[in-house]
Amino acid sequence: DTGVSQDPRHKITKRGQNVTFRCDPISEHNRLYWYRQTLGQGPEFLTYFQNEAQLEKSRLLSDRFSAERPKGSFSTLEIQRTEQGDSAMYLCASSRTGANEKLFFGSGTQLSVL
Amino acid sequence: AQSVTQLGSHVSVSEGALVLLRCNYSSSVPPYLFWYVQYPNQGLQLLLKYTSAATLVKGINGFEAEFKKSETSFHLTKPSAHMSDAAEYFCAVSGSNQGGKLIFGQGTELSVKP
Repeated sequence: DTGVSQDPRHKITKRGQNVTFRCDPISEHNRLYWYRQTLGQGPEFLTYFQNEAQLEKSRLLSDRFSAERPKGSFSTLEIQRTEQGDSAMYLCASSRTGANEKLFFGSGTQLSVL
Repeated sequence: AQSVTQLGSHVSVSEGALVLLRCNYSSSVPPYLFWYVQYPNQGLQLLLKYTSAATLVKGINGFEAEFKKSETSFHLTKPSAHMSDAAEYFCAVSGSNQGGKLIFGQGTELSVKP
């Protein structure tokens, strides 16, 4: 069990640029979640996948955001035309469905939009 | 609708003293309740989880929490604080059929003085 890994750990970009983050979940986990955390706040749910299917998206996920999990393994989160308000920590978590579902979080990708 | 309120954004205790972090929730369905801890530059780690079984839930690192429906509370306690407990703590709520889609509180930063 190598845990949930996220890449990159930090990303600095200029407003208007596109960015993409990657999340590698724990290998046997079929669910993958994306959360966003801004300074001084708790994480906010963005979207989640069960296998390769994206089952739910938050209203926080504007049309500039897109997430994929093409083979039901790793996932990518892309933000197009970044804005300063997108600056946040983007957290990925994975789990296995079941009565005792438990989330395992990665260390996150810190995005700074200048 | 569900929400979580954590009372106190910062709590400071002396080493060896009681730790009490407060969490009140609102939920239109029977809630699942969680406490997570976040150390600097790390992902969130589950401390404990309430799922409608025993109202007193014991977690890792000596923490426990008590579900009180009449008070809509789920406060986190530890009898004796250790320096290593210094971290950010998050309370979260979900419904029983919502898997890993959690609603987090704003967090409480715990400081431990020697």
